Amino acid sequence: DTGVSQNPRHKITKRGQNVTFRCDPISEHNRLYWYRQTLGQGPEFLTYFQNEAQLEKSRLLSDRFSAERPKGSFSTLEIQRTEQGDSAMYLCASSSDENTEAFFGQGTRLTVV
Amino acid sequence: AQKITQTQPGMFVQEKEAVTLDCTYDTSDQSYGLFWYKQPSSGEMIFLIYQGSYDEQNATEGRYSLNFQKARKSANLVISASQLGDSAMYFCAMRAYRGSQGNLIFGKGTKLSVKP
Repeated sequence: DTGVSQNPRHKITKRGQNVTFRCDPISEHNRLYWYRQTLGQGPEFLTYFQNEAQLEKSRLLSDRFSAERPKGSFSTLEIQRTEQGDSAMYLCASSSDENTEAFFGQGTRLTVV
Repeated sequence: AQKITQTQPGMFVQEKEAVTLDCTYDTSDQSYGLFWYKQPSSGEMIFLIYQGSYDEQNATEGRYSLNFQKARKSANLVISASQLGDSAMYFCAMRAYRGSQGNLIFGKGTKLSVKP
């Protein structure tokens, strides 16, 4: 296991379509985070899992967004009825506990046309 | 509310020289951690260095050091002997340990360009 893996790396979709991203964290990490990064900004927190439990969601996560982490391993982030404002880099990170650094994947860049 | 401020949108440095990237933070928590990440054009966030709020010594990791001034609430990153590969976006981030579940709050970043 060489790090956090995210797929796909790039996604172009038409407005109104649904998209799903996948994140495979470092295998022994029980904490998994999703962030969104728009151009010229730092990453913004979206949601957090400890094992399979989703423990925190940002108000940025509208009803069109849903995240899962079945069995506490990989996670998926789904966006329904995409809008142009959803265009961003979606970053996944994992850590072993709250006191250690988070390791990030390379992100999925979403473009909604 | 917690906040990270990075006031330098862009910085230039000559290769082999040292550079300081500024970061100030705002929190009412007593226990927190400060992080610096590097983001090359490929997009991945690379962890560089960590400083805990109770650490008395400034953190160092190779060519990276963190100039931690708690009273001023600043956590500047110093990169010594800059290399061309250091050209990237640099983000300062904070994690509060009380009630936050460990998620990071990031600044807007500083774009560092190293000139040959």
